[in-house]
Amino acid sequence: NAGVTQTPKFQVLKTGQSMTLQCAQDMNHEYMSWYRQDPGMGLRLIHYSVGAGITDQGEVPNGYNVSRSTTEDFPLRLLSAAPSQTSVYFCASSYSSRLNYGYTFGSGTRLTVV
Amino acid sequence: GESVGLHLPTLSVQEGDNSIINCAYSNSASDYFIWYKQESGKGPQFIIDIRSNMDKRQGQRVTVLLNKTVKHLSLQIAATQPGDSAVYFCAENNYGQNFVFGPGTRLSVLP
Repeated sequence: NAGVTQTPKFQVLKTGQSMTLQCAQDMNHEYMSWYRQDPGMGLRLIHYSVGAGITDQGEVPNGYNVSRSTTEDFPLRLLSAAPSQTSVYFCASSYSSRLNYGYTFGSGTRLTVV
Repeated sequence: GESVGLHLPTLSVQEGDNSIINCAYSNSASDYFIWYKQESGKGPQFIIDIRSNMDKRQGQRVTVLLNKTVKHLSLQIAATQPGDSAVYFCAENNYGQNFVFGPGTRLSVLP
């Protein structure tokens, strides 16, 4: 049981480039989400999904797109990378968003935009 | 090194002592709370949770206390060990909405 798998672990992008951060879970979790973590600011929610075909915006969605075509996968797309998007990105999943279950986190993707 | 957490408050404790990490949460309507531990280079890991109808919950070497009157949560770690060195976050949830995370506290265990 792999839990939540994120790839890549590290990435360097040039300003204006696009890329997709991958997230996959094998726990049949209904809920998935993307957070970014910046020094001293805690985890901030980018986008989330309560099931396949359903996505919604979090606190800091600008510059990011998501889709949820399957229960297992929840990729995060950076459309045109900016230095302000330099951060550590975490994907998290939960059995259900409605019944107050804790999150399982991936190990993170460290992104640097130059 | 780990860039996340450079500006966090730090608690330094002697190995074997008890640690108390505090968290002030923001929403008086929050009904579910979790403490997470994040080691360097890893994602946050669930430690212990508590629901708003309780004021104390114990796990293995950890205790969470909830004071709803002042919107305060604490995590107590007994007999702190070097492996407890990490950043600790509290998270609050309001009836199934998305969790809101605190900024975290870095725990440093001194030999």
